[in-house]
Amino acid sequence: GDSVTQMEGPVTLSEEAFLTINCTYTATGYPSLFWYVQYPGEGLQLLLKATKADDKGSNKGFEATYRKETTSFHLEKGSVQVSDSAVYFCALSGSGGYNKLIFGAGTRLAVHP
Amino acid sequence: GAVVSQHPSRVICKSGTSVKIECRSLDFQATTMFWYRQFPKQSLMLMATSNEGSKATYEQGVEKDKFLINHASLTLSTLTVTSAHPEDSSFYICSAPTLAGGVTDTQYFGPGTRLTVL
Repeated sequence: GDSVTQMEGPVTLSEEAFLTINCTYTATGYPSLFWYVQYPGEGLQLLLKATKADDKGSNKGFEATYRKETTSFHLEKGSVQVSDSAVYFCALSGSGGYNKLIFGAGTRLAVHP
Repeated sequence: GAVVSQHPSRVICKSGTSVKIECRSLDFQATTMFWYRQFPKQSLMLMATSNEGSKATYEQGVEKDKFLINHASLTLSTLTVTSAHPEDSSFYICSAPTLAGGVTDTQYFGPGTRLTVL
């Protein structure tokens, strides 16, 4: 079945460091891909998405490119801030109609001053 | 973006009581909503799909008599945890998808409800 694999955390970085969180997926058809972020004590917020191959989603300095050839959707940010500390979830949604989201395990990011 | 609310945000109850959690799509209609459960420091586990006007679809291993779901209108779904026990303590999150061109566009999540059963 469809699945999402994320790099294990926690990821600890200093402020202004470069961030990469790897995400790969297995799916039939042409899924949409998402990154969600969960700040401490809060629900999930959509960070960015891509709906077809080679699309690049971007928001708040984060970006991810839908790579069909490598079945990947890695999250990157050039310069992280302390306020980016959160748990990041990669997810996919299958094609056609309402579809369940399948989540990766989540990667906790801690950014220190 | 679209907004999904949940109520209450926190609830503490005694073992054996029932707890109702509401999920509302505030600025869009959702014929389908999803209920998830999240354990500490873990990912979200889909519990069930709530369908307006029909029965909910439960994921394997989720007790439908334990977790009652009612999709009362195009903007409201409720999850009732019946005869709650301490092992039901968890963070419950709902989501509602928007559609674009007849297919799922984006799912928007509620802020979650933390249930603590004493």
